Amino acid sequence: SQTIHQWPATLVQPVGSPLSLECTVEGTSNPNLYWYRQAAGRGLQLLFYSVGIGQISSEVPQNLSASRPQDRQFILSSKKLLLSDSGFYLCAWSGGWGQPQHFGDGTRLSIL
Amino acid sequence: GENVEQHPSTLSVQEGDSAVIKCTYSDSASNYFPWYKQELGKRPQLIIDIRSNVGEKKDQRIAVTLNKTAKHFSLHITETQPEDSAVYFCAASNSGGGADGLTFGKGTHLIIQP
Repeated sequence: SQTIHQWPATLVQPVGSPLSLECTVEGTSNPNLYWYRQAAGRGLQLLFYSVGIGQISSEVPQNLSASRPQDRQFILSSKKLLLSDSGFYLCAWSGGWGQPQHFGDGTRLSIL
Repeated sequence: GENVEQHPSTLSVQEGDSAVIKCTYSDSASNYFPWYKQELGKRPQLIIDIRSNVGEKKDQRIAVTLNKTAKHFSLHITETQPEDSAVYFCAASNSGGGADGLTFGKGTHLIIQP
């Protein structure tokens, strides 16, 4: 069966520091991969999605970036974090266009 | 782009009663509508989904209905139980529109009163 892993689970970072969140999927090949952000008490906002290695689509312009160096690895990065980057970051995968998306356990990011 | 509105933001029902959560969407090309349940601090979990070629889908105590003409879809939970308490999100996507990824509603906090 397919599993999705995200780490770290919790992260506290100072303003202006860099960021790297990692997500990996097991048990499937060539998945669609997604990064979402959920602000406290709010809905989920799609940040990036990828349909293949090196292919990244950005939904929201911001100081975050994403990369997909391997088929089942998706990385969310920032060179300089802002206070507004705080939130719950969720990685998800699907088997293709319009297929159900399944979420990882998320990373709770706090910016001080 | 797509815009999804969800109501109500909070819903309190007596245990055993039914709960209904409603969503509307703006993009008539959207063709996939999942519902997620999120418990506090946990990941959203898919509980049911429906595609635009179907008007209704049931899975035990939960059902989803879709009205494409009116561009709205609803989640129905019958015989509610304490473990149904959570935040529920609707979402919509257009899998053939050159973009992938879900547009979510803002969520409904469902409270089951004992």
